[in-house]
Amino acid sequence: EAQVTQNPRYLITVTGKKLTVTCSQNMNHEYMSWYRQDPGLGLRQIYYSMNVEVTDKGDVPEGYKVSRKEKRNFPLILESPSPNQTSLYFCASGQSGNTIYFGEGSWLTVV
Amino acid sequence: EDQVTQSPEALRLQEGESSSLNCSYTVSGLRGLFWYRQDPGKGPEFLFTLYSAGEEKEKERLKATLTKKESFLHITAPKPEDSATYLCAVQATGQNFVFGPGTRLSVLP
Repeated sequence: EAQVTQNPRYLITVTGKKLTVTCSQNMNHEYMSWYRQDPGLGLRQIYYSMNVEVTDKGDVPEGYKVSRKEKRNFPLILESPSPNQTSLYFCASGQSGNTIYFGEGSWLTVV
Repeated sequence: EDQVTQSPEALRLQEGESSSLNCSYTVSGLRGLFWYRQDPGKGPEFLFTLYSAGEEKEKERLKATLTKKESFLHITAPKPEDSATYLCAVQATGQNFVFGPGTRLSVLP
């Protein structure tokens, strides 16, 4: 079954404690992307990757890092989380010219 | 720069009252236009892909159409379960996917 899997799904953490949200896809997609969604603001893109070892900033990259060392994985790293990074995060993957598929989302709370 | 706008921002319909949502885009070399449905707290769910002007796709009460500058999502005789946010996205050849802000649809019984 085609899947985009994110972990953890729910996390409460403290300010400044580094964390990684993993994203894995089993569809051999070249394109992967991270979004955050806050009430009333819609989807905002954090980073995206057109292929392995190629990453680009989206609309709101500050405070985040990503890496794309292999095709199936695209982890999102928060080096020093702050309360304004409390949000619902989505990972997505797809092929150019075809639809992208979203993961189920990761609820992150930073206190 | 590729841009996508959607209107209206929010729409309230009575059950059975048909209407249309608009997605206007500016992109060089459109590779595809995509419609998604999103329920609160869930990931967007794919509905349609349109590739060229004049193309139409249908699924149950939904029909998507595409021109060179905009796409419409027509909802015929909507039901309360059609209530959701509808997102439009575009992709230019070899480029990033760009999402619009969405239209929040509420269908009242």
